[in-house]
This record gives sequence, structure tokens and C-alpha cells, in this order.
Amino acid sequence: VQLVQSGAEVKKPGESLRISCKGSGYGFTSYWITWVRQMPGKGLEWMGRIDPSDSHSNYSPSFQGRVSLSVDKSITTAYLQWSSLKASDIGMYYCAISSGWYLGSAYDVWGQGTMVIVSS
Amino acid sequence: DIVMTQTPLSLPVTPGEPASISCRSSQSLLKSDDGKTHLDWYLQKPGQSPQLLIYSLSHRAFGVPDRFSGSGSGTDFTLKISRVETDDVGIYYCMQRLEFPRTFGQGTKLEI
Repeated sequence: VQLVQSGAEVKKPGESLRISCKGSGYGFTSYWITWVRQMPGKGLEWMGRIDPSDSHSNYSPSFQGRVSLSVDKSITTAYLQWSSLKASDIGMYYCAISSGWYLGSAYDVWGQGTMVIVSS
Repeated sequence: DIVMTQTPLSLPVTPGEPASISCRSSQSLLKSDDGKTHLDWYLQKPGQSPQLLIYSLSHRAFGVPDRFSGSGSGTDFTLKISRVETDDVGIYYCMQRLEFPRTFGQGTKLEI
């Protein structure tokens, strides 16, 4: 079971961006995919999650309206997207899943992270 | 949102000695319908993604040494390392998953 994320991105304020998280080694539609932000030198922030089976999603109020989550089941890939980046969107973004019912929804599998830099 | 508060934020330790990290939540994390406490612990080693250490208060994740233990109840929780090893350095986070949005503590940096 693994999650492999897309590579680092350098963007300008106002640009759009979509980063990806590809799941493998498991039934992709079995587990919600969660996204977590880590700003430079800071802690972890839960952004939201998406159910790959039907694309139902939950967002943290802190990120609602700023980002959107989506999936493409055909290629077992989840996406985190911005329509207009801000400098404050800089950070490392992780995707994660909880791969066993016994875990509740604790995240036992994490992607390697995607660094997003936004600078003019 | 449920606020998670960790202490200390920095923890210097000596290899072979025990270590303890506290986490407090702004409301009880005990879910009445399943009787479980929805509190997890993660470790983020330098330059790495977070990894799950403890789930549901006290259950060690797969492959986690028994030097690590989680305890507590209600709103007060503790992660204990019985004998610290050099490989344990990193930032430890508690996280509540009783409600959305999930929230993390600020992190405790364990340093040798």
C-alpha cells in the first residue's frame, strides 16, 4: 500500500495549481483520502478528505472555498487544486489514508509530500 | 474546533532515559457510541512524512516498538517512551478524530 505524490511546484500568486496523490496496492475506492498541510517550520493542519468511491468530500472551514478535492478512479489518483494561489499557500502538502477498519480513521499510510512554493 | 494543546513543546532527552509528552483536548474525546477514545499520536522524523505511532489512545500501530505507550482519558493524554533511542528524534503530534475538522497539537520536538 502506498501513496505517491507529484513533485515540487513553484508558482506565482494568482496562478492555478493541481497536485496529485496516486494510490496503489489497495482498492483505491476503499479508503477516504485526506490532505494535510504543513507550512514551513510549522505543525500539521487537516485540510479535508474525499471519498474516492463517490467523490463526497469534507473540508476544514479554514480551507473551504480555497481548495478543492477531486479524484480520478480510472487512474487511482486524488487531486488537491487551487484556482488562484496566494503566497500564504506555501507549504508541504501530504495525502494520507487509514487502511484498516481497526484503525478507526487514524492515518497509517502517508504520501511523501509535495512542496508548493508561491512567490512573485 | 477541538483545540489540542501539547506540553512541553521541546523535550531534551538522554538516550536510555524515559520521556513523556502530554496532550490536552478542549473537550472529551471519548465517543459514547463506540466506547473508544479518538486520539492518535504521530511522529514526524526530520525530513520525513508523519508516521502513525498510537491510535485510539493506546494501540500501537504496526511495527511500533513496545517502548512507546499511550494512555489517558477524557481530555488528558500521555505518550511515554520507556527508553529513548537516538532514532526517536523528531516532532510528536497528537491528533483528535472525534470531530471534523480533525485537529493536531502544536507538536513536541524531542531532541537528544
